[in-house]
Amino acid sequence: NAGVTQTPKFQVLKTGQSMTLQCAQDMNHNSMYWYRQDPGMGLRLIYYSASEGTTDKGEVPNGYNVSRLNKREFSLRLESAAPSQTSVYFCASSEASSGADYEQYFGPGTRLTVT
Amino acid sequence: GENVEQHPSTLSVQEGDSAVIKCTYSDSASNYFPWYKQELGKGPQLIIDIRSNVGEKKDQRIAVTLNKTAKHFSLHITETQPEDSAVYFCALLGWSWGKLQFGAGTQVVVTP
Repeated sequence: NAGVTQTPKFQVLKTGQSMTLQCAQDMNHNSMYWYRQDPGMGLRLIYYSASEGTTDKGEVPNGYNVSRLNKREFSLRLESAAPSQTSVYFCASSEASSGADYEQYFGPGTRLTVT
Repeated sequence: GENVEQHPSTLSVQEGDSAVIKCTYSDSASNYFPWYKQELGKGPQLIIDIRSNVGEKKDQRIAVTLNKTAKHFSLHITETQPEDSAVYFCALLGWSWGKLQFGAGTQVVVTP
């Protein structure tokens, strides 16, 4: 099993450009998440999807959109990139079923620079 | 949402010594407290977790303690080794089911 995969690994964008970060998991998990990681700020939740067909905002959703394409895939879109979106982006998945397994499995990350 | 404060932000220890990282929180409803380790260039990975009905949990050289009254939990690493060098994040399952709130992270450096 590959676990959680993310593409691309690195990306440089100019201000105003758009792009989509792709994420897929092969663990049949219900829940998927997008985080951004900035120095000294830990992991901040951008959007999450508790199950196929649902998405909800996290702590820092402004400037982003998501699509839960199917149970495996959860994409993150930047419509008009800004320098403040320079960060490392992580996708994660979990079973997150009631009373049981909340462990989140993380992908390797996408390092995004917006100039 | 839930606020999680993590200290220290950096920790340098000699190989063989112990390392302790502490996190405090405010929401008494929190009931699940995991710790994640992030090695350079990789995503975080769960190393140990504890639930609110347990005060301490140990797994080889790592242990986590929870004090629900004082609202803090700590990660203890004994007999540190160079491979323990990484960033460690505490987290908790807060007010919203399935969503974790992470601390800011602790950079641990183990020097030989």
